[in-house]
Amino acid sequence: KAGVTQTPRYLIKTRGQQVTLSCSPISGHRSVSWYQQTPGQGLQFLFEYFSETQRNKGNFPGRFSGRQFSNSRSEMNVSTLELGDSALYLCASSLLGGETQYFGPGTRLLVL
Amino acid sequence: AQSVTQPDIHITVSEGASLELRCNYSYGATPYLFWYVQSPGQGLQLLLKYFSGDTLVQGIKGFEAEFKRSQSSFNLRKPSVHWSDAAEYFCAVEETSYDKVIFGPGTSLSVIP
Repeated sequence: KAGVTQTPRYLIKTRGQQVTLSCSPISGHRSVSWYQQTPGQGLQFLFEYFSETQRNKGNFPGRFSGRQFSNSRSEMNVSTLELGDSALYLCASSLLGGETQYFGPGTRLLVL
Repeated sequence: AQSVTQPDIHITVSEGASLELRCNYSYGATPYLFWYVQSPGQGLQLLLKYFSGDTLVQGIKGFEAEFKRSQSSFNLRKPSVHWSDAAEYFCAVEETSYDKVIFGPGTSLSVIP
């Protein structure tokens, strides 16, 4: 089976812009979680989607949003980008959530 | 508040030496416990997990971890470290099934040839 894929792998944006990141889970997996990883804050949970519904949410401002499609693919969107949003954004999928998560390689976002 | 701590920010060991990475958590009940490894520029790979049962868990790449309820700890061990084990190691907990996963700050491992 193909692993979790994330696109794009690298992205450069300027402050105030918005960005959309994409995640394709492993075939058959219905849960997709998103994480932000920075040197200062480490790995922080953003949100989890299961069957097109947001099931869990971390402590991030409303500028961070996501959605999941009927094929389980997920997107996350960050509006009005700030310098502090520069990070590695990781997506993970699992069959139903709550068990082994498989991570993608991440999207590295740089905000200038 | 719920938290996961990894007391050691960075550890350096010689190749062939034993390794123990510490992880402590603060949760009311026994959560689900995980160890992940991240190589530079890569995503995370699951090494092992504990849900219930035997408190000594075997994982991939020769790693094992022991859950100690009395100490709220889930320490990762390897009897003989290889140079390829140099990476960042994350302990993670999930309070209940289908809950969000909380990661510790990570321990960076360097291996001296």
